[in-house]
Amino acid sequence: AQKVTQAQTEISVVEKEDVTLDCVYETRDTTYYLFWYKQPPSGELVFLIRRNSFDEQNEISGRYSWNFQKSTSSFNFTITASQVVDSAVYFCALSGEAGGSYIPTFGRGTSLIVHP
Amino acid sequence: SQTIHQWPATLVQPVGSPLSLECTVEGTSNPNLYWYRQAAGRGLQLLFYSVGIGQISSEVPQNLSASRPQDRQFILSSKKLLLSDSGFYLCAWSFRDRYNEQFFGPGTRLTVL
Repeated sequence: AQKVTQAQTEISVVEKEDVTLDCVYETRDTTYYLFWYKQPPSGELVFLIRRNSFDEQNEISGRYSWNFQKSTSSFNFTITASQVVDSAVYFCALSGEAGGSYIPTFGRGTSLIVHP
Repeated sequence: SQTIHQWPATLVQPVGSPLSLECTVEGTSNPNLYWYRQAAGRGLQLLFYSVGIGQISSEVPQNLSASRPQDRQFILSSKKLLLSDSGFYLCAWSFRDRYNEQFFGPGTRLTVL
């Protein structure tokens, strides 16, 4: 079985602060993929990034960056200089053979509130 | 480019009434299709997924059913709604290959009274 844990239920920051959203996963697969999604108040989940288990390079996209560490089974997401528009629920997910490779396992999400 | 449509956006139904939610995908062929429900508390619950026409897998036993009458059409139905069916329903698609990211529709907010 596979599992994704997002221990932070809710994070509240003030605009321009940096914030890191934690994601810890469990899987017995050697090949797996990790994902992050954003769900703004409108409700539609938006895909942000996919990372495979053989690529531990960190990724940066504008103010967003992702830190994948297999040694700690973590795939953390950092937003630099947060903005009010970053307020959303963020989901981490995992796809691997153990869970059925077509079916991702989602964490319960972290609600990020950015205050002006 | 691909787009996913889902309707209606909101729905208020009495207990015991039927339900039909529709989802269609444009711009791709042979997608994997998924129905999720998101109740209060934010967690995503996978209800059904489909890897082809007429192929439906159910993840959670309940009074809901799904059908895929066409390659890019996915329908969620119920003969008699329960109060517990209230929630936010999301349709999603992914490319046929394994381990792909999912692309979600705008969702349907269902309230059963």
